[in-house]
Amino acid sequence: AQTVTQSQPEMSVQEAETVTLSCTYDTSESDYYLFWYKQPPSRQMILVIRQEAYKQQNATENRFSVNFQKAAKSFSLKISDSQLGDAAMYFCAYRSGNGANSKLTFGKGITLSVRP
Amino acid sequence: KAGVTQTPRYLIKTRGQQVTLSCSPISGHRSVSWYQQTPGQGLQFLFEYFSETQRNKGNFPGRFSGRQFSNSRSEMNVSTLELGDSALYLCASSGVRGRETQYFGPGTRLLVL
Repeated sequence: AQTVTQSQPEMSVQEAETVTLSCTYDTSESDYYLFWYKQPPSRQMILVIRQEAYKQQNATENRFSVNFQKAAKSFSLKISDSQLGDAAMYFCAYRSGNGANSKLTFGKGITLSVRP
Repeated sequence: KAGVTQTPRYLIKTRGQQVTLSCSPISGHRSVSWYQQTPGQGLQFLFEYFSETQRNKGNFPGRFSGRQFSNSRSEMNVSTLELGDSALYLCASSGVRGRETQYFGPGTRLLVL
């Protein structure tokens, strides 16, 4: 079974600075997807970024980028120029590439606070 | 395009009752997945429906069931509610093939007294 581990329960960053959130996963599959979701106090789960395992290039979405290390099974999220609105809980998630197995497996999440 | 919608947003029930939650996916999406979020267990997968058929199921008791209609709208039912069923229930939809990214609704917060 796949597992996702987020070992840091909380992190804090100064506004305008850069922060990296860590995530490791375990799988025996070669085809899979990895995601970072953001959950603000409203509890709405918002997609931040997605990475396909077969792509060597790290995904980037504006201020958000990932460092995907497939051999090490590591998938960290870097937030540049942090903003107050980035304060939220962040979840790392894994999904099999097998279309018949669509479930997302989540880590326990990390609470990010942004200091003004 | 309108996002995923869930109704009701908040619900209070008592032990032993049953509850039905509704989820309307993004237009054109055929896959709907349900997740339970609690402080103790985190986010756990309940089940997924694709083209009106349950395609995947998580490790939950039979009191948790669901269905999907021809318009892809989905309902989730919990019978004989227990205190431990208090949670945020999240619904997510994904596209035609079911392999795409899942987009989440705002959730239904259920409190069982």
